[in-house]
Amino acid sequence: ETGVTQTPRHLVMGMTNKKSLKCEQHLGHNAMYWYKQSAKKPLELMFVYSLEERVENNSVPSRFSPECPNSSHLFLHLHTLQPEDSALYLCASSGTEGINTIYFGEGSWLTVV
Amino acid sequence: AQSVSQHNHHVILSEAASLELGCNYSYGGTVNLFWYVQYPGQHLQLLLKYFSGDPLVKGIKGFEAEFIKSKFSFNLRKPSVQWSDTAEYFCAVRRTSGSARQLTFGSGTQLTVLP
Repeated sequence: ETGVTQTPRHLVMGMTNKKSLKCEQHLGHNAMYWYKQSAKKPLELMFVYSLEERVENNSVPSRFSPECPNSSHLFLHLHTLQPEDSALYLCASSGTEGINTIYFGEGSWLTVV
Repeated sequence: AQSVSQHNHHVILSEAASLELGCNYSYGGTVNLFWYVQYPGQHLQLLLKYFSGDPLVKGIKGFEAEFIKSKFSFNLRKPSVQWSDTAEYFCAVRRTSGSARQLTFGSGTQLTVLP
């Protein structure tokens, strides 16, 4: 149990589908993050939310749309993805953005066909 | 922007061998440094971190890392590895000032320990 729960763990979707990844943290943290982990590449930060406001968007394509309805939940809405978007998507949280240690969820494996 | 280099992509050791994984970063200011570990099929877990003070930090499971500011390095060490240490290890750096406060990760080092 990591304190950060992601669902689904595995997702296969077509390029025309719309799906969402969900993340929930049970740690009382104020900041939440989406990272993309591809094989043989460093983890890429996609989005940062601090106190439910987006504070960082690292030039992610608009086919990825985050949503943070409250400090415990974070979504990543997926629409018209490309095969190269197949990767492990990691959610993480921390006490305060930029200060505390970041804790990761187990990830959602996404395959785009 | 800062970057993190992990020069060893795959390390293979026998049990009881000593381990040192290299990590170098490129930023001249004050940083926080981290090592994360990802066991097969599991989530990223914090192994140890350096914020300030003693540059030799000890983490879980017998790991330690030494911050050498002059070399911009934060190498991970363990005197005697076990088969259960087989995992991928990620070094990460975070600037402590400015807007770029998010972690920058290295590309990871896969450690395989042979029984």
